[in-house]
Amino acid sequence: QSALTQPASVSGSPGQSISISCTGTNIDVGNYNLVSWYQQHPGRAPRLIIYEVNRRPSGFSNHFSGSKSGNTASLTISGLQAEDEADYYCCSYALSPTSTYVFGTGTKVTVL
Amino acid sequence: QLQLQESGPGLVKPSETLSLTCAVSGGSITNSSYYWGWIRQPPGKGLEWIGNIFHSGSAHYKPSLKSRVTISVDTSKNQFSLTLNTVTAADTAVYFCARVVRSTDVFDIWGQGTLVTVSS
Repeated sequence: QSALTQPASVSGSPGQSISISCTGTNIDVGNYNLVSWYQQHPGRAPRLIIYEVNRRPSGFSNHFSGSKSGNTASLTISGLQAEDEADYYCCSYALSPTSTYVFGTGTKVTVL
Repeated sequence: QLQLQESGPGLVKPSETLSLTCAVSGGSITNSSYYWGWIRQPPGKGLEWIGNIFHSGSAHYKPSLKSRVTISVDTSKNQFSLTLNTVTAADTAVYFCARVVRSTDVFDIWGQGTLVTVSS
């Protein structure tokens, strides 16, 4: 099963909003509302920031938000901050033919 | 606060077997709300799911790795393990263990990761 497709890089100025796309197929993203997003700073473990397409873990503000249309999910970062500079990965559940999980190719976010 | 800690050799020779253990502290591995998973990340590359296991021992693996991977659980030690056979340089990666929430299929708590290099 192929990785979900993300743009390699996205950049924005402090205070701006940016979006990252995550394109899969009707076997994964398009078939389940089980898309999650992870933030990873260099040398650190990934951290869950969005789950079930648009839900935030407890304690998280609406700084991060998610959505989905068809086979493409999106992560939006509102009010970009210096600490948002990191790699971001989407992930989807798939049943192909057994339970599997597929990650995205990853997006490097740069704060200008 | 639940914590996960990976351990194992940092260097493995080609064609040999990679073995890692993930110790779970601050919670029980027998909690039925969770699976326990392994994910890896080659240097400078993206994340790749390897497999998950339930405390009963039932496991699911990435199809392309299934022939070489075994994930096992030891409830008496509150830990689970990864075995990857016949390794090559392509298996060089940081290996993470993680808790998987069954109801939402998310990896909500991660270990710090451990680098395993395959080299003679």
